[in-house]
Amino acid sequence: QSVLTQPPSASGTPGQRVTISCSGSSSNIGANTVNWYQQFPGTAPKLVIYINNLRPSGVPDRFSGSKSGTSASLAISGLQSEDEADYYCVAWDDSLNGWVFGGGTKLTVL
Amino acid sequence: QVQLQQSGPGLVKPSQTLSLTCAISGDSVSSNSAAWNWIRQSPSRGLEWLGRTYYRSKWYNDYAVSLKDRIIINADTAKDHFSLHLTSVTPEDTAVYYCTRAVADGAHYFDRWGQGTLVTVSS
Repeated sequence: QSVLTQPPSASGTPGQRVTISCSGSSSNIGANTVNWYQQFPGTAPKLVIYINNLRPSGVPDRFSGSKSGTSASLAISGLQSEDEADYYCVAWDDSLNGWVFGGGTKLTVL
Repeated sequence: QVQLQQSGPGLVKPSQTLSLTCAISGDSVSSNSAAWNWIRQSPSRGLEWLGRTYYRSKWYNDYAVSLKDRIIINADTAKDHFSLHLTSVTPEDTAVYYCTRAVADGAHYFDRWGQGTLVTVSS
């Protein structure tokens, strides 16, 4: 069972806005920044949001992140078929003295 | 452009030691602004951080609590690579293993990943 809690699945139609949540505790999300990764089958995860709401170069501005208290969320607006992938949140945990991940959310574009 | 290239066996027998190496290009394992991590992924456990090594005037290591008795991560400054050694493996250690770089840029995040190595533990 993952330390950070994500919904196992999410879906939307092209053009829609979808949000993926990530719930943690005071020792991880509540105390540190959150990063989000996108993963396609058979490939390594790719950073799409870092330090809660920053986008790496090359990531479309359709991707945005936010954090409040012990929860964070990833939003994807103007959904495209190429966004269909697994998404993971991750944060440092001060109590465990290590990185903790969410269980991942499989995003389906209908 | 920073790249991480993993190497090591894809099959390990139970009770033996799993060893993987990650070669760094475009950065240094002795960097004062990076940490070098190992992460694994399996259908049953999802993404799991295993540990890290980093240099800040001296070498430091942090390991996942669940693996603390079985894991060693070390760096080779001459070759600019770092390695994972996981002892007494069981089939539960079967997973895709990734090496990653975590940078300190206001806060830490994994910005570079190796290609991944599927390691199967089986006799």
